[in-house]
Amino acid sequence: EAAVTQSPRNKVTVTGGNVTLSCRQTNSHNYMYWYRQDTGHGLRLIHYSYGAGNLQIGDVPDGYKATRTTQEDFFLLLELASPSQTSLYFCASSDEGEKYFGPGTRLTVL
Amino acid sequence: AQSVTQPDARVTVSEGASLQLRCKYSYSATPYLFWYVQYPRQGLQLLLKYYSGDPVVQGVNSFEAEFSKSNSSFHLQKASVHWSDSAVYFCALSISSGSWQLIFGSGTQLTVMP
Repeated sequence: EAAVTQSPRNKVTVTGGNVTLSCRQTNSHNYMYWYRQDTGHGLRLIHYSYGAGNLQIGDVPDGYKATRTTQEDFFLLLELASPSQTSLYFCASSDEGEKYFGPGTRLTVL
Repeated sequence: AQSVTQPDARVTVSEGASLQLRCKYSYSATPYLFWYVQYPRQGLQLLLKYYSGDPVVQGVNSFEAEFSKSNSSFHLQKASVHWSDSAVYFCALSISSGSWQLIFGSGTQLTVMP
């Protein structure tokens, strides 16, 4: 079964803090994605990648960096976290239309 | 620009009743369409998808959806809901078979009353 894991599951940081969210997939999928989920907005795409070393900008990239170090691992970086980045973050992978989502990371920026 | 609208933020039905969750999309051509479900404290899971062909698609757990090009809609339906169907349901579209970027609606919170 396809699997996407995320860590940490919960994270609290302060304004200006440095945060890294991790995602790993064991599906051998080429594409990986980072979304944020906020009430009233559904899921919005932050960044995505189609392979190791590749990065594509999504719809809401401001304040976020990302890096795809291997086929399996995709990281989301917040170098100067702000309260507006308090959200639920999902990672996903896919090779065709069906996406497999991780369980999410809840980030709170105080 | 492409968009997905789910006009009902919350829907409440009784167990055993029929269900329709509405989804309208905006795109000039025929998009790829999806319904996902999110149970509490979990990620999203695919219910069903439409790429082409028969406008009625069957999904998991007896859900089905009907694509209508004339109405730009992709409504989700179920003949008889169960309390375990309580969840948030997202409609989404993709216009690319390459990157498969998804544009999501804002979601519908379904509550099934016992």
